Amino acid sequence: AQRVTQPEKLLSVFKGAPVELKCNYSYSGSPELFWYVQYSRQRLQLLLRHISRESIKGFTADLNKGETSFHLKKPFAQEEDSAMYYCALSYSSASKIIFGSGTRLSIRP
Amino acid sequence: GAGVSQSPRYKVAKRGQDVALRCDPISGHVSLFWYQQALGQGPEFLTYFQNEAQLDKSGLPSDRFFAERPEGSVSTLKIQRTQQEDSAVYLCASSSLTDQPQHFGDGTRLSIL
Repeated sequence: AQRVTQPEKLLSVFKGAPVELKCNYSYSGSPELFWYVQYSRQRLQLLLRHISRESIKGFTADLNKGETSFHLKKPFAQEEDSAMYYCALSYSSASKIIFGSGTRLSIRP
Repeated sequence: GAGVSQSPRYKVAKRGQDVALRCDPISGHVSLFWYQQALGQGPEFLTYFQNEAQLDKSGLPSDRFFAERPEGSVSTLKIQRTQQEDSAVYLCASSSLTDQPQHFGDGTRLSIL
């Protein structure tokens, strides 16, 4: 069965420190991987997708098929990064998304 | 428009009542999705429409849940004889067919007393 696992419910780091939010997935085919973010009082929005291979707000994520991981990284955390982050997978951009349970990132000043 | 619009934002109902949740997708988006998000969990897929056709309803938890999109635009998710376990945020998302990601609405927070 397809599954996305985010092992950390809460991650707290100091401003300026590196951030890594872990994500592992199980899927028998070639999924498309995403990171979605939800800032306080805002709607869920796409942060980045692996096929774009781009950096958004300083975040990057590399798909590691051998380890079935898609960890989200940022070298220097900022206070505005505090939010709920969801790792997710899909068969394609136009099909249902399977979400992990989310990691709340808290950046301490 | 401004994005995916959902109404009402909050709904409180007594156990056993029927409720209807509305979703207005982004204009021109042919794909529409419904998700259920329980407290402390990620969203879980309920059902998917392409235009007016419901192509996947595998995530609907019981036959009390029914969704429709009769004209291929606005969609309604109906829950009959609500139960306490139906309390959750119901999210709607839409996307175009051309390899574009899903855009989410603010959700409807449903509380069953």
